[in-house]
Amino acid sequence: EAQVTQNPRYLITVTGKKLTVTCSQNMNHEYMSWYRQDPGLGLRQIYYSMNVEVTDKGDVPEGYKVSRKEKRNFPLILESPSPNQTSLYFCASSLSLASTYNEQFFGPGTRLTVL
Amino acid sequence: DQQVKQNSPSLSVQEGRISILNCDYTNSMFDYFLWYKKYPAEGPTFLISISSIKDKNEDGRFTVFLNKSAKHLSLHIVPSQPGDSAVYFCAARSLRGANNLFFGTGTRLTVIP
Repeated sequence: EAQVTQNPRYLITVTGKKLTVTCSQNMNHEYMSWYRQDPGLGLRQIYYSMNVEVTDKGDVPEGYKVSRKEKRNFPLILESPSPNQTSLYFCASSLSLASTYNEQFFGPGTRLTVL
Repeated sequence: DQQVKQNSPSLSVQEGRISILNCDYTNSMFDYFLWYKKYPAEGPTFLISISSIKDKNEDGRFTVFLNKSAKHLSLHIVPSQPGDSAVYFCAARSLRGANNLFFGTGTRLTVIP
């Protein structure tokens, strides 16, 4: 089954404790992206990756890191989480953002709470 | 600064009637627009898209209209069904520029049986 998976689905942590949210897709997609969803703000893009070893900042990259060492994986790293990073996070992938067939497939979401 | 705006946070419609969800954008560089549907506890799923070279795209019960001069697009659902109850997000990007995809804040549609 073609899908985007994220782990964990739920996470409660404390300020300053490094964490990683994993994202994996099995569709051989080139493009992957991370979003956060907050009430009244919709989905905002954090980072995206056009292909392996190619990453770029989205709208709200501060406090986050990403890496793309393999095509299928795109982990989101919070080196020192803070309470304002409490949010619902979505990973997404698409065949290629450069093509017109570029609707993104989203993972199920990770709800993160930073105390 | 929100470049894609959905000014109606919620909409209620009777089953069988038309649902019209609206979206406005400010960036004239945007030339590709998408609608996503989101159910609770799930990720958004792609619904329909439209390129700026068109002013209408239809897929079954779903039609998206684009008015470039007004920087406005709308999603029509006819007839509305209870299973259409979800949050709908409008999104936009520039195929020629940066590779970001910008989303609106969403509209919660409730279809009343």
